[in-house]
Amino acid sequence: QKEVEQNSGPLSVPEGAIASLNCTYSDRGSQSFFWYRQYSGKSPELIMSIYSNGDKEDGRFTAQLNKASQYVSLLIRDSQPSDSATYLCAGYDTGRRALTFGSGTRLQVQP
Amino acid sequence: NAGVTQTPKFQVLKTGQSMTLQCAQDMNHNSMYWYRQDPGMGLRLIYYSASEGTTDKGEVPNGYNVSRLNKREFSLRLESAAPSQTSVYFCASSESGGFSYEQYFGPGTRLTVT
Repeated sequence: QKEVEQNSGPLSVPEGAIASLNCTYSDRGSQSFFWYRQYSGKSPELIMSIYSNGDKEDGRFTAQLNKASQYVSLLIRDSQPSDSATYLCAGYDTGRRALTFGSGTRLQVQP
Repeated sequence: NAGVTQTPKFQVLKTGQSMTLQCAQDMNHNSMYWYRQDPGMGLRLIYYSASEGTTDKGEVPNGYNVSRLNKREFSLRLESAAPSQTSVYFCASSESGGFSYEQYFGPGTRLTVT
C-alpha cells in the first residue's frame, strides 16, 4: 500500500495562473514533508520542506500542511512554462524511519 | 561546490555482470542514500548510511550491496545484474540521518541490463 499518494496528472494550467498540487499520506506520525521538482531526464531538486501545520512561503511557492486531514499541498503562483515538470511529494515514515515518495504529479504550464 | 556527484552517467550490462556505482558528496553531510526510480513506482530506497561506518537496508535491498568508504563516498554494487535492475539510480545526501533534514540528489545513473 502506497503511503504517500499523488494524482499523476497531467495538471494543465495557463501561464500566470496558480497551480495547486496535492498529496495525502497515511502515516499519522509523519512530521516532515518535502516537495521536489523533477524535470524529464534529470534528478529531483528540493524546492520546499515543511514541518509544522500551516503555510510556508518561499518566493512563488507556498507549501501547506494539514496534519489533521493528512494532506500536504504545494501552490505555485504566477506559473511559468519553466515550471512544467513532475513534482514529487515525500514524507518521513516513522515506521520504516525513511522517506517515502509519492509517484509524482506532472504539471504542464501552457504559454 | 559540486554537491552530489555520481559515476557513471550511463551503463549497459549483460545479465550476470557486476558493476559498482560511485557516489561522492562535498557538503560534509553525515548521511547518504541510494534510490532507484522506475516508471510509475516513484523513488524507492535501496540502502542508506546514517553516518560513516554504518549502513542499513531500505525498501528494496535484494541484489545490491553498499560500502560507505568514508564520509564523502558511498558506493552501490550489483554483484550479478538482472534485467529487473534496469532503472535510474540516484544517490542523495543529507546533513543528518534523522530524515527531518533535506536530502539532496546527484544527477543519476541510467542502467540497462540486457
